[in-house]
Amino acid sequence: SAVISQKPSRDICQRGTSLTIQCQVDSQVTMMFWYRQQPGQSLTLIATANQGSEATYESGFVIDKFPISRPNLTFSTLTVSNMSPEDSSIYLCSVEGGRAGPTDTQYFGPGTRLTVL
Amino acid sequence: SQQGEEDPQALSIQEGENATMNCSYKTSINNLQWYRQNSGRGLVHLILIRSNEREKHSGRLRVTLDTSKKSSSLLITASRAADTASYFCATRQAGTALIFGKGTTLSVSS
Repeated sequence: SAVISQKPSRDICQRGTSLTIQCQVDSQVTMMFWYRQQPGQSLTLIATANQGSEATYESGFVIDKFPISRPNLTFSTLTVSNMSPEDSSIYLCSVEGGRAGPTDTQYFGPGTRLTVL
Repeated sequence: SQQGEEDPQALSIQEGENATMNCSYKTSINNLQWYRQNSGRGLVHLILIRSNEREKHSGRLRVTLDTSKKSSSLLITASRAADTASYFCATRQAGTALIFGKGTTLSVSS
């Protein structure tokens, strides 16, 4: 399966600031997704990152708060804007397709643990 | 949004015992997948079962799927301390990303 890396692995930020999380895959993939996992909770899908076009956001998530880029088939960024303590979560990148592995199977990066003070 | 529920929320067993976790979901699906997560780290894909399959095995794992009841179960046989983790089921509809259940926390003591 594909090797997925995320930067940073963790960060502590002040409220009102923004953080950009990078997701890099070692091979071209068809689909890239961003999830949030709040403390002690399950994963919630934020958006599907579409290559060359605007991301598709799930209900409850908006582009102004979570702008996403996907300039090519191996890289995506998620920005958490104007952060508040409620944004403290693990943010996970997920990929599917291409050389990542079997179709329909999503693989996950190690996650970025964000703490907002 | 979350598709369904895992049951139980937490499970504590002794090494060597079997662990069974259940997952229920609400809508029709293309497939259902199980993942493991150790201590808030990244997710490890365990097994995928398609909607036209009823049972799959992988090593010590056995997954069943009952689409009429919209439920699945994950059985881990002869559990080990290293199986201690959170287990999530996730469902897939056509053309969509995985939607996760709430998860079961498994603790295996030696």
